[in-house]
Amino acid sequence: QVHLVQSEADVKKPGASVKVSCKASGYTFTDYYIHWVRQAPGQGLEWMGWIIPNSGDTKYPQKFQGRVALTSDTSLSTAYMELTSLKSDDTAIYYCVREDFDFWGQGTLITVSS
Amino acid sequence: SYELTQPPSVSVSPGQTARITCSGDALPKQYVFWYQQRPGQAPKLVIYKNTQRPSGIPERLSGSNSGTTVTLTISGVQAEDEADYYCQSADSTGVVFGGGTKLTVL
Repeated sequence: QVHLVQSEADVKKPGASVKVSCKASGYTFTDYYIHWVRQAPGQGLEWMGWIIPNSGDTKYPQKFQGRVALTSDTSLSTAYMELTSLKSDDTAIYYCVREDFDFWGQGTLITVSS
Repeated sequence: SYELTQPPSVSVSPGQTARITCSGDALPKQYVFWYQQRPGQAPKLVIYKNTQRPSGIPERLSGSNSGTTVTLTISGVQAEDEADYYCQSADSTGVVFGGGTKLTVL
């Protein structure tokens, strides 16, 4: 059974950084990309990028280039998403998703507030 | 990247057929995926590669495509189908989602 288990919710101040983890189980971690998607309160889905765990190669949409970093630790079957220079409109649920979008993590609520 | 356009809302009575459209210029060349999201839950894949259903998804959910528009059809709508639905595709710049459609079962 495939599972993606994410880290707990967190509250950050504007200007800070946050790092969300996503631990995979039930499949070979290095066989699939991991995407990150976020959803602001009451809003739609927004793609933040993907990482190939085997190589560490990444792809980001222009909006997030320079502010988001996707990494992975294959020994732990865990992917990470770090977002820097947080603003209030970064308040959202952040999801990790397996390559084919067939399995989603439970989501991690990140609240940015002074 | 390009945009995918969905109607903000669709309303149907139980037992009727709901059709949710997704339009985009690149759709004739790219696969489309559909997700169902109930309140407080993560999105769930219901259609992949335009028309394929993952295991466990009822046959009354189906996908079709016609040029620059793809359609998610839900036949015999039930109360449990009330949710937000998102289409998704990709191009060389990455992944893009439609704005989402709220399906209301009257």
